[in-house]
Amino acid sequence: DSGVTQTPKHLITATGQRVTLRCSPRSGDLSVYWYQQSLDQGLQFLIQYYNGEERAKGNILERFSAQQFPDLHSELNLSSLELGDSALYFCASTPSGTGGVPEAFFGQGTRLTVV
Amino acid sequence: QQQVKQSPQSLIVQKGGISIINCAYENTAFDYFPWYQQFPGKGPALLIAIRPDVSEKKEGRFTISFNKSAKQFSLHIMDSQPGDSATYFCPPGSNYQLIWGAGTKLIIKP
Repeated sequence: DSGVTQTPKHLITATGQRVTLRCSPRSGDLSVYWYQQSLDQGLQFLIQYYNGEERAKGNILERFSAQQFPDLHSELNLSSLELGDSALYFCASTPSGTGGVPEAFFGQGTRLTVV
Repeated sequence: QQQVKQSPQSLIVQKGGISIINCAYENTAFDYFPWYQQFPGKGPALLIAIRPDVSEKKEGRFTISFNKSAKQFSLHIMDSQPGDSATYFCPPGSNYQLIWGAGTKLIIKP
């Protein structure tokens, strides 16, 4: 158990709909990352938050948005869903530090199926 | 621009054999070189990592070899076991960012 919790585990929704994925980082971790992994593909970095502020942005579509709340949990909002958005969405958190690249702890992922 | 390239894309190794996966990167600013292991339906988990001031690091059956001048690092799995069957990623990083490649799917045949 990595200590990172993602809900829901599975989500099936129709095209055009909007969904919200939730992530609770490990206790004490200030950084949260969101990734998309399509079938048998690598991880696509979407966005990073650090202590409530957006820190880095990757290949995140305009239809997608995220935020990190004061209690440090994060939500990824996906709207106007398309079939191609079907994927595993992972959240990861890292320990806070003074520099370098700490170990990333991943949640179990949310499997999104758009039909 | 492909910053990280893994090879091979997939690999089949007999049980007890040596599995070798290679990773080539472009950005010389990277200062952290990890290998992550991902089982189907699970999130990736850190397996082993190295900093550029050493050329090799061994943890049990897993060894990272690092070649700074060639901008490459590799993962060696000795005495490969069926439980090692997974997808392996080598996301080099700096400044709290990891750059993920496509991964290598490793299958260990019993």
